[in-house]
Formats: sequence, C-alpha cells, structure tokens
Amino acid sequence: DVKVTQSSRYLVKRTGEKVFLECVQDMDHENMFWYRQDPGLGLRLIYFSYDVKMKEKGDIPEGYSVSREKKERFSLILESASTNQTSMYLCASSSYGGRYNSPLHFGNGTRLTVT
Amino acid sequence: DAKTTQPPSMDCAEGRAANLPCNHSTISGNEYVYWYRQIHSQGPQYIIHGLKNNETNEMASLIITEDRKSSTLILPHATLRDTAVYYCIVRGSNDYKLSFGAGTTVTVRA
Repeated sequence: DVKVTQSSRYLVKRTGEKVFLECVQDMDHENMFWYRQDPGLGLRLIYFSYDVKMKEKGDIPEGYSVSREKKERFSLILESASTNQTSMYLCASSSYGGRYNSPLHFGNGTRLTVT
Repeated sequence: DAKTTQPPSMDCAEGRAANLPCNHSTISGNEYVYWYRQIHSQGPQYIIHGLKNNETNEMASLIITEDRKSSTLILPHATLRDTAVYYCIVRGSNDYKLSFGAGTTVTVRA
C-alpha cells in the first residue's frame, strides 16, 4: 500500500514564525502535492511538484513556498505564518501516468494553528 | 465551475448496499470519474475511478451510464466505518490535480 507520511499531526505556531511542514512518500512517486482544507472552501491546491527540484504553483500559492530536494520528500514552507494560514494541510503523491493519470494518495494531514 | 453534482447527504443501513449518485452532464471524452472518501480527521482516501466501463475493486463498484453523464458508486455491504464524506470528481487525462467539491456526507446507521 502507498504510504504518505506527514511529520506532524498537530502544530501550533505563532504569527511571524517560519513553519516547515514535511511529507514523505514511500512509493517512488514522481508527483507530490500540497493542499489545504478549510470548512466551506473544500480542498485547494497550494503547490505541485512533478520531479526533484521542479515545482508549479497551484490555486493559492501566496504566502507559501515548497522544496523538493529528494524524490520522496516534499516540504511546505510558511515564510512568516499568519492567522489566516490556520488550516488542515494535506500532502499527496501520485505516479506519473502520462496520458492516463494515476490516483493521488493522501497523508492524514497536519492541523496547523497560528496564534 | 462545478463539474459534478452530488446530494449533500444520505443515510444507509448497516449491511445494506449504499448507492451514491453523481451527475456530470458536461463530462468530455477524455475525462475520468474518480471517487474519494474522507473519514473524519483523516486525509482523503482513493476508492475507484473509471472512464466509460464499469469498474469494481475490493472497496466498491463504479457504474457509469452509457452517455457518461452520471455515475453511481456502490458500497456493497455498508459498515459503520464507511461513514464519511464521499467525493465524485471529474478529471481530465492530462490533469495533474484533483478538484474536490462539497461531496456527499454518508451516514451508516446500525
């Protein structure tokens, strides 16, 4: 089974802090994703990476950056955390399917609270 | 723009089949139908996907109408652990991401 592991289940940070959310997948997947989930807004894509050191902005990249130095690891960085970044953050991975895109597999999320 | 329409909620009895409908009347020829579910406080879980043929796996069956404008996810023997929000998603063959709507909240009752 695919396993996507997020380093923290719950995180509390102060406004202005630099925050790192880590995600590791064990299936040698090429693609990795960061989403955030908020009540009433559903899941929204923040960033996507299709290879090591490659990234693309999703629908809501403002206030975030990402790093992918190794294939199995994808980090989400909040340079200066703000209260409106309080959310559930979900990491996902998928294999490169070419024209036939393969399913995304999600981790269990990190619930971040910024005070 | 929402590509799928699902009922906001439904109940089903434990041990019975649960049939979850989804309308996707604007689906195009290269778009797949995906189903995910999200149990409270967990990440979304992949269930099944299909293009035009019916599909079955160990979790569920997916029935797609011949005109592809709607589909039904069938959980053959619902258990209390199947209580979750179920998402029906239309995804193009070249789309790298999934776009989630509001889904259907399914409550399985004993």
